[in-house]
Amino acid sequence: AQKITQTQPGMFVQEKEAVTLDCTYDTSDQSYGLFWYKQPSSGEMIFLIYQGSYDEQNATEGRYSLNFQKARKSANLVISASQLGDSAMYFCAMRELLYNFNKFYFGSGTKLNVKP
Amino acid sequence: ETGVTQTPRHLVMGMTNKKSLKCEQHLGHNAMYWYKQSAKKPLELMFVYSLEERVENNSVPSRFSPECPNSSHLFLHLHTLQPEDSALYLCASSQAYSRDRDHASYEQYFGPGTRLTVT
Repeated sequence: AQKITQTQPGMFVQEKEAVTLDCTYDTSDQSYGLFWYKQPSSGEMIFLIYQGSYDEQNATEGRYSLNFQKARKSANLVISASQLGDSAMYFCAMRELLYNFNKFYFGSGTKLNVKP
Repeated sequence: ETGVTQTPRHLVMGMTNKKSLKCEQHLGHNAMYWYKQSAKKPLELMFVYSLEERVENNSVPSRFSPECPNSSHLFLHLHTLQPEDSALYLCASSQAYSRDRDHASYEQYFGPGTRLTVT
């Protein structure tokens, strides 16, 4: 079974609008971390936001917030007020902290296009 | 230099060549990773070094050989590669796991990648 599932291969959003990128995960560990990365066309993976499995509050970092629904095993990324520079691939990732700590599991990514 | 750097940024090599990719991190981390990113495939973890010891080897062919001489440097030695090895090779670093920091995020920071083409 896939550890991380991103069901949206591509998304379009109008500049200045909000967009939600979906991510579901699969783990039996009680302690894990969820991450979102942005990869522009230049190739570098840029860390955006982190959510720990024990965190009760949804993580926020500037225009990025993570909609964490533990019971549903989803960790959707919300980008508010989209900008043209947000156009990129976005990857959801998970790290299990008790077992397989050295592995990061990545989803297949969502390509976001922001339209002017 | 700050963050994670990788050299070269682009590499074209024949199947009989030997080359090396270099990664250097300036973040004080003690775990380093090699990933392979092919078109239309998820990121594939290749090797993990934690505290300079290789702790993960994801069934990678022996034509890829990693080396971690210290916690700041990581190499990937390449020899007799195949055309299907053409991909973006990404290096990353993070803190190694510590019980004292059980709820830390341990996020990975990535370098810009080496775009490898095998002809």
